[in-house]
Amino acid sequence: AQKITQTQPGMFVQEKEAVTLDCTYDTSDQSYGLFWYKQPSSGEMIFLIYQGSYDEQNATEGRYSLNFQKARKSANLVISASQLGDSAMYFCAMRAPLAGGTSYGKLTFGQGTILTVHP
Amino acid sequence: KAGVTQTPRYLIKTRGQQVTLSCSPISGHRSVSWYQQTPGQGLQFLFEYFSETQRNKGNFPGRFSGRQFSNSRSEMNVSTLELGDSALYLCASSLAAGGNYGYTFGSGTRLTVV
Repeated sequence: AQKITQTQPGMFVQEKEAVTLDCTYDTSDQSYGLFWYKQPSSGEMIFLIYQGSYDEQNATEGRYSLNFQKARKSANLVISASQLGDSAMYFCAMRAPLAGGTSYGKLTFGQGTILTVHP
Repeated sequence: KAGVTQTPRYLIKTRGQQVTLSCSPISGHRSVSWYQQTPGQGLQFLFEYFSETQRNKGNFPGRFSGRQFSNSRSEMNVSTLELGDSALYLCASSLAAGGNYGYTFGSGTRLTVV
């Protein structure tokens, strides 16, 4: 079974500063994918960044980067130069193969971290 | 390019009733999955469909069911509604069955059971 742990219920950051949101995961699968999603108060889940378990380099997407430490099973999200619009709930999620390893069908989410950006 | 469309956005139902939620995936996407989000349990996987076949199912009672049509649109049905079914129901679509494809989520349907 897969498990995602986000230990920070809430985080505060000053506008224009960087912030790191923590995520650790647990799985016995060798092949898996890690995702970060942003959920504003409207409810929609917005994809931010993806890291595959076999990717050797950390993923980056604009102001978002993923600090992937496979041996420690951590996949922390780093947001550089925070903006007021970054205030939202952030979820770390993992996708792993179904039994038999033939397909990917389920995301397991952490409990989320509420990020508040102060002006 | 249109995103994932979920209808209706808001719904109020009475205990014991049944409800059907709809999800239209991004054009070309063949995989559709459903999630329930509540403050207490967080985001929980309901089921996933690919090419009209349910490939994976979460740990929910049989009152929760779904289907996918030939145009990839999906519906989920909840029968005999309970107060605990009040939640945000999110649908996500993906391009393919396997590989490292991300999921695009809709805005969700907020169901309130009274």
